Amino acid sequence: TQLLEQSPQFLSIQEGENLTVYCNSSSVFSSLQWYRQEPGEGPVLLVTVVTGGEVKKLKRLTFQFGDARKDSSLHITAAQPGDTGLYLCADSYGNKLVFGAGTILRVKS
Amino acid sequence: DTAVSQTPKYLVTQMGNDKSIKCEQNLGHDTMYWYKQDSKKFLKIMFSYNNKELIINETVPNRFSPKSPDKAHLNLHINSLELGDSAVYFCASSQVTEAGEQFFGPGTRLTVL
Repeated sequence: TQLLEQSPQFLSIQEGENLTVYCNSSSVFSSLQWYRQEPGEGPVLLVTVVTGGEVKKLKRLTFQFGDARKDSSLHITAAQPGDTGLYLCADSYGNKLVFGAGTILRVKS
Repeated sequence: DTAVSQTPKYLVTQMGNDKSIKCEQNLGHDTMYWYKQDSKKFLKIMFSYNNKELIINETVPNRFSPKSPDKAHLNLHINSLELGDSAVYFCASSQVTEAGEQFFGPGTRLTVL
């Protein structure tokens, strides 16, 4: 059974700071997705990465996929209160998503 | 326009009762899902339906019975509710593609007293 570990579990920072959260898998990802879930809402897809070593940017968010396709990081530059939420990584294979436990991010103004 | 909608948003009930949660998607997707998110925010798949047929059942107790009357709807009926069923239940939908994006509903917070 695949295990996805995310770290840190909780992160509280001031507006304007940079941060990185991590996702590590016990086995090679089929394809890795990052989702953000805001309080009271369902998760929303941020990015999908498939190729080892891949780097994708989404405005202030930078996603890296490890060469061995077993780990990933999400870096946020100049965090804003609107970035507050639960960040989830997931492995997508077939019709199934297997999620990590998530990182709760709180950005204080 | 709401893509994936669920009703109700909140559900508070007593142990032993039977309840249903409804889900509808207007995205034209072939596949729909139910996920359970526990108090620690861990999100786990329960069921998946493709074109009204069950394709994933993740060892969920028989008290949970999904029903898909058509491609756009996937309802979840729960019999004999237990305290441990308290959680947020999310419906989602997607097209059947490799690494396809799943679109989630807003969730139904179920509290069993």
